[in-house]
Amino acid sequence: AQTVTQSQPEMSVQEAETVTLSCTYDTSENNYYLFWYKQPPSRQMILVIRQEAYKQQNATENRFSVNFQKAAKSFSLKISDSQLGDTAMYFCAFRERAYSGAGSYQLTFGKGTKLSVIP
Amino acid sequence: DAGVIQSPRHEVTEMGQEVTLRCKPISGHDYLFWYRQTMMRGLELLIYFNNNVPIDDSGMPEDRFSAKMPNASFSTLKIQPSEPRDSAVYFCASSSGLAPSYEQYFGPGTRLTVT
Repeated sequence: AQTVTQSQPEMSVQEAETVTLSCTYDTSENNYYLFWYKQPPSRQMILVIRQEAYKQQNATENRFSVNFQKAAKSFSLKISDSQLGDTAMYFCAFRERAYSGAGSYQLTFGKGTKLSVIP
Repeated sequence: DAGVIQSPRHEVTEMGQEVTLRCKPISGHDYLFWYRQTMMRGLELLIYFNNNVPIDDSGMPEDRFSAKMPNASFSTLKIQPSEPRDSAVYFCASSSGLAPSYEQYFGPGTRLTVT
């Protein structure tokens, strides 16, 4: 079974600074997807960024980027130029890649990191 | 599209009562998922459907929990009888079919409190 570990329950960062959230995972699969979701106080889960394991290039989405280290099974999220609206819980998630049929579309989540952006 | 719709947003009930949570997925999505979020256990998948058929319900905690999807636009998660330990936020999510680049779109969740 896959497991996802986020070792930082809480973090804070000054507005406009950069912060990195850590995530490690454990799997025997070779092909899979990794995700970072944001959950603001409104509770809505919002996909921030995704990474496909067979792609060596790290994914980026505007101010958000990842550092994907497949051998180390590490998937950290970097937020540049932090904004007050980035205050939220951040969840790292794993999903195996289905090749055919129904497959498994389960997302396995870490327990989250609460990020506070300080003005 | 309005996104995934869940109702109610908040539910407070007494132990032993029946609770029904509702979800309307995004139109055209073939997969529907029910998750539970607690402080202790984080986000857990309870059950998911493909084309209205339950595929994997191994995450359903016990027989008090049941889920149905009578049609492509509606699903329910029922707890009968409810217990205080069922207090959590319950999320519904939907996604498109077999495309590798799928995304699960989450609803706003239902916060359930069982007293």
